[in-house]
Amino acid sequence: SQQGEEDPQALSIQEGENATMNCSYKTSINNLQWYRQNSGRGLVHLILIRSNEREKHSGRLRVTLDTSKKSSSLLITASRAADTASYFCATDPLEGAQKLVFGQGTRLTINP
Amino acid sequence: EAQVTQNPRYLITVTGKKLTVTCSQNMNHEYMSWYRQDPGLGLRQIYYSMNVEVTDKGDVPEGYKVSRKEKRNFPLILESPSPNQTSLYFCASSNGPSYEQYFGPGTRLTVT
Repeated sequence: SQQGEEDPQALSIQEGENATMNCSYKTSINNLQWYRQNSGRGLVHLILIRSNEREKHSGRLRVTLDTSKKSSSLLITASRAADTASYFCATDPLEGAQKLVFGQGTRLTINP
Repeated sequence: EAQVTQNPRYLITVTGKKLTVTCSQNMNHEYMSWYRQDPGLGLRQIYYSMNVEVTDKGDVPEGYKVSRKEKRNFPLILESPSPNQTSLYFCASSNGPSYEQYFGPGTRLTVT
């Protein structure tokens, strides 16, 4: 069953604006990860946030985690055309099979 | 350069003709896995391997086989491909299921 669900499914903004994507999940987790996928290519790891962390930064990326609401958000500040991609959250469940569970992704388009 | 390689990158084949997609990593990772990606269904795990000679089913193992005879290689075998196996396939490796996953470039398979 799907663990992580991203919202929105698609997002289109102007270059320079901030983009926010959300991820909700169902069960307790060890960590949550965000990945980027350029069209038809392999996923690239962006950031990992552990269940005992609330916020993490990496360059123009800011990730928050609210375990009480079972949700996470990815903020990309000052977006660029090169940020156009699909973004996936992946959860590492605390119990169950040893694997990451990926959501269906948010398709982000940055318009010049 | 640390990487996961997959071959072939593109493959068109016919129903029933056995095929193998190779996957190799040079990072000495213990954990390797195979995913398929389909529109609207996201990324689904086919098989994973915790170490040499240790493999287990993921979410959608039917119609696939894997082997892990060496640490660096994790081939995906389709004994009798069918059109519903037309998909984009990714191999990934990492230090464990909870860690950052390194993805290969993908193999686009079409079964007619």
